[in-house]
Formats: sequence, C-alpha cells, structure tokens
Amino acid sequence: DIQMTQSPSSLSASVGDRVTFTCRASQGISNYLAWFQQKPGQVPKLLIYATSTLQSGVPSRFSGSGSGTDFTLTISSLQPEDVATYYCQKYDSAPHTFGPGTKVDIK
Amino acid sequence: EVQLVQSGAEVKKPGESLKISCKGSGYRFSSHWIGWVRQVPGKGLEWMGNIYPGDSDTRYSPSFQGQVTISADKSISTAYLQWSSLKASDSAMYYCARLGRDAYNDPVGLDDWGQGTQVTVSP
Repeated sequence: DIQMTQSPSSLSASVGDRVTFTCRASQGISNYLAWFQQKPGQVPKLLIYATSTLQSGVPSRFSGSGSGTDFTLTISSLQPEDVATYYCQKYDSAPHTFGPGTKVDIK
Repeated sequence: EVQLVQSGAEVKKPGESLKISCKGSGYRFSSHWIGWVRQVPGKGLEWMGNIYPGDSDTRYSPSFQGQVTISADKSISTAYLQWSSLKASDSAMYYCARLGRDAYNDPVGLDDWGQGTQVTVSP
C-alpha cells in the first residue's frame, strides 16, 4: 500500500508569513489528493481537493499544488485562526491513507 | 444541507461488542461513499474503511480489516461501524464522513463530517 508522509511535523511562524508544507506519497498517485484542517477539539474540515481546488468557503490564502509523489499546501499570509493541524489524504483507490499531519502555531 | 449525525458516546468494557451509527440527511445517501476515520487522543487521523450504501460495496484499510465491520442500511440512510470484541486500544474518537462529488461527478474527498463518537473501553 502507498504510504503518505508529511513534513515538517510541526512549524511555528509569525502572523503574515507565507507558510508551505509538504505531503509525499511513497509511489506516484493521481491528483486525488485532499488537504484537511483540524483545529483543537474540532472536526476535520476539507480545505482543498483534487490537489489544488479550493473547497467552497475556504479563504483564498490557502492553495495547493503538486503531482506524482510530491504535493504542497501553502498559506500565503498566516492568520491566528490558522492554528491547527493539517493533514493530507489520498482518495483515489483504497486505502485512502492520511498523512501524519503538520501542526502549525503562531510564533 | 448535508448532515451526518452520529450516535452518542459509549463506555464499554474489554470484550464487549459495540455498533455505532451515522445517519445522513440532505442528500441521496445511497449514492455517496461513507468513510470511517479513527482518531486516538493526541494522534492523527486514520482511515478505517468506507462503504457505498447503494450496493454495500465495502473497502477496509489493512490495519482495520478483520478488526471492525462496516455496514449500511440505505432504507434508513444510516451507516454503521461495529466491533465484536472491544479492546482498550479501541478507545478513540470515531468520525464518519461523506465522500463528496463535484459537478462533473468526480470525487472531492471527505467534504462533510459527522460530529464524532467517543468510544472509551475500560475495565
């Protein structure tokens, strides 16, 4: 089965910073790659699907890119409300594995 | 409005059985895969498996195959996750979520989630 990894496991940045983190698949996957945001004590929320399509209602400071084995999520200007853990997930063929997550907080 | 409403928190003893539920509304339940996701306290999200309620086609993660059973009753728009013999290590939050589709019928990932069911297994 394809394994998903994410880096870094955590990061701390200042408000307004551009933040990028990575999701890597152990083998090439289709563009069926999603990103989720989970704030402490809350249900995960879909941010981006199909690698780069923003889910309705998600702020435009979030963007996704990538192909093959390497994918990225970028927050163009980090806001206090973006403190959360971010997970990637492949959802083409089963198993729909999640990455281990990147925890983001404010410096 | 799409809604997934899960059954309430459970406290069980090791060896007991359990079945938790996830009731969908606001969309055609039989036409969308429903996934189950585990989250152990302080840990990440783990995909357990999913089911297509229309024909009960079910897929499992290798990590959960044989450990749980996923089922659905499309007549009442409800999916289930069940254990025949719980272990302490099954203590976690369990989420159901819908695999949505876009206007072109392409999957968009887990776009709507239930509120979660906390399962605690303790002697």
